[in-house]
Amino acid sequence: EDQVTQSPEALRLQEGESSSLNCSYTVSGLRGLFWYRQDPGKGPEFLFTLYSAGEEKEKERLKATLTKKESFLHITAPKPEDSATYLCAVQAKDMRFGAGTRLTVKP
Amino acid sequence: EPEVTQTPSHQVTQMGQEVILRCVPISNHLYFYWYRQILGQKVEFLVSFYNNEISEKSEIFDDQFSVERPDGSNFTLKIRSTKLEDSAMYFCASSPGTSGVGEQFFGPGTRLTVL
Repeated sequence: EDQVTQSPEALRLQEGESSSLNCSYTVSGLRGLFWYRQDPGKGPEFLFTLYSAGEEKEKERLKATLTKKESFLHITAPKPEDSATYLCAVQAKDMRFGAGTRLTVKP
Repeated sequence: EPEVTQTPSHQVTQMGQEVILRCVPISNHLYFYWYRQILGQKVEFLVSFYNNEISEKSEIFDDQFSVERPDGSNFTLKIRSTKLEDSAMYFCASSPGTSGVGEQFFGPGTRLTVL
C-alpha cells in the first residue's frame, strides 16, 4: 500500500536557524511528489513539484530535493512567517498526503 | 491572481440530511478534485473529475457521495445522508493540463459540522 511518512511531527526553530524536513514514501508508479504549506484553517498552498530522483527546486528560503525513497524540504535562515504545517504528497493513481510537519519559528 | 473559491465557508447540518458543497475552480483548469481533512488528521483524497466524468475515486467516496459540474464554472460535492463522521473540512482543488499530474490549487475549504 502507498505510504507517506513525514518527520519530525513538530519542529521549533529560532529565527535564522536552518533545518530540514523529511518525507519518506513507498508508492508504486510515482508520478510526482509535491510540497504544500498549510496555515491553520486554510487550504494547502502549493510550493513545489518534483518528478524524478535528483531533481531540486528552490524558492526563497525553501529548497526541495528528491531521491528514490524520500524528499527533503530544506529551510535556510527561516523567519517567523515561515511558521506553518508543511505537507508532502505523492501522486500515483491518486494524491496521498503525509501527516505534515508543524514548523514554529521563534523570533 | 486566479484562485479556487468555495461556498459556504461553514455548513452545519443534522445527521441524515443532504448537503451540497460548492466550488468554483480556476477558469482554465481541466481537472477538479475533492479532499477532506478531519480535524487533526491527514488530507484525504476523495475524487478526481475530468471531462465531465469521475477519473479516480477513493474507498471513502462511496454511494452517499456524488460530484457534478452543473455548468461551466461550478463543481459540487453532494453528500446524500450525512453521518456524524462526515464532519470535516472539505477542500476543492483544480489543476491545469490534461494528464492529471501536476500541481493542484486548493480552495479555502468548507467546514462541515454534522450534529
